[in-house]
Amino acid sequence: DVKVTQSSRYLVKRTGEKVFLECVQDMDHENMFWYRQDPGLGLRLIYFSYDVKMKEKGDIPEGYSVSREKKERFSLILESASTNQTSMYLCASSPSQGNYGYTFGSGTRLTVV
Amino acid sequence: GENVEQHPSTLSVQEGDSAVIKCTYSDSASNYFPWYKQELGKGPQLIIDIRSNVGEKKDQRIAVTLNKTAKHFSLHITETQPEDSAVYFCALEGGTASKLTFGTGTRLQVTL
Repeated sequence: DVKVTQSSRYLVKRTGEKVFLECVQDMDHENMFWYRQDPGLGLRLIYFSYDVKMKEKGDIPEGYSVSREKKERFSLILESASTNQTSMYLCASSPSQGNYGYTFGSGTRLTVV
Repeated sequence: GENVEQHPSTLSVQEGDSAVIKCTYSDSASNYFPWYKQELGKGPQLIIDIRSNVGEKKDQRIAVTLNKTAKHFSLHITETQPEDSAVYFCALEGGTASKLTFGTGTRLQVTL
């Protein structure tokens, strides 16, 4: 069964900490995405990547950065965590050809205190 | 970026009734419209999608309709069951290829 795996289900971090959220996919997908999900706001795109070492800003990139050193791994980095970054973070991947939709991970619920 | 409006935000139906969720959009260049179901504690899962060259697609109790002229698409669930209770998101691909913009979600509750 194909999978997108997010390393942590729950995380609690302190304000100002540097936070790494890891995502790995085993489908050889070219595209990978990071979204955050907040009640009433749906899923908002933070960053995405179409290839190794390539990244593009989404709709809400402020306060975040990403890294894609290998095709299967896409990391989201919170340089200095703040309380307004408390959210559910979802990673997804998709193939580059055609419109096949995303495969999502189960999400990481991050709380910044 | 592309804007997608989704309604209603919450929907409660009795088991066996039908449920309809509607999304409207503004970018006429969009040509791929998937729907996702998110159960509690899980990531969203693709349940059905439609492309701009068809008006309707059905998969058992789930159907999606697309009206490109009016720029709206809808999810129809017939004969609802308790396991249909979840949050449903519409989405569309617009602008940059493969990048999806999501609606704000509809929490569907199917009561016995």
